[in-house]
Amino acid sequence: QQPVQSPQAVILREGEDAVINCSSSKALYSVHWYRQKHGEAPVFLMILLKGGEQKGHEKISASFNEKKQQSSLYLTASQLSYSGTYFCGTEIINAGNMLTFGGGTRLMVKP
Amino acid sequence: DTEVTQTPKHLVMGMTNKKSLKCEQHMGHRAMYWYKQKAKKPPELMFVYSYEKLSINESVPSRFSPECPNSSLLNLHLHALQPEDSALYLCASSQERNRPRKFNYGYTFGSGTRLTVV
Repeated sequence: QQPVQSPQAVILREGEDAVINCSSSKALYSVHWYRQKHGEAPVFLMILLKGGEQKGHEKISASFNEKKQQSSLYLTASQLSYSGTYFCGTEIINAGNMLTFGGGTRLMVKP
Repeated sequence: DTEVTQTPKHLVMGMTNKKSLKCEQHMGHRAMYWYKQKAKKPPELMFVYSYEKLSINESVPSRFSPECPNSSLLNLHLHALQPEDSALYLCASSQERNRPRKFNYGYTFGSGTRLTVV
């Protein structure tokens, strides 16, 4: 079942922060985050494998609340290069390698 | 080598044609995937191969036929497609989930084949 992402779109000025949320109704094995720029392939940002674990990637970090099956992606001091569509992907416990993507969040960073 | 290579990058085919999409990786990943992506939509899972065996088929029509000749290659054979099958087809690979947790399970995607069915 597809995870639910919010918001659908965000417009930021350079240097501003943003949070993207992802939630699932199923018990999760992992949550992935990817960024896709127009006309390009999705690029892996990070993965969260257990509850409460935060992973960071430069000024982008994420958290995973295992009890609520929710994850959040934090973009701090956004840069122009952060523009793109962000997808969370979830793998369900006991379902094997099977990544299902949320609907995506379009992020635009303006100068 | 940290890439997934897909060929061709663009493909236009008629509804009676037979064509194949190719995908190759040399990262030692034993899980490989085909995804379909329509414009402004998320990638949708089509097939999963695990250790060269088909493990998941997400109710994909039989006009799409996957093949995994070896651990580095993945093909998608196309036959009698419909115009609504026009989309970006993405191949991806990853470590298997049963590997120790020190491995990165993130998926590596190829740049895709943009398919147009006329």
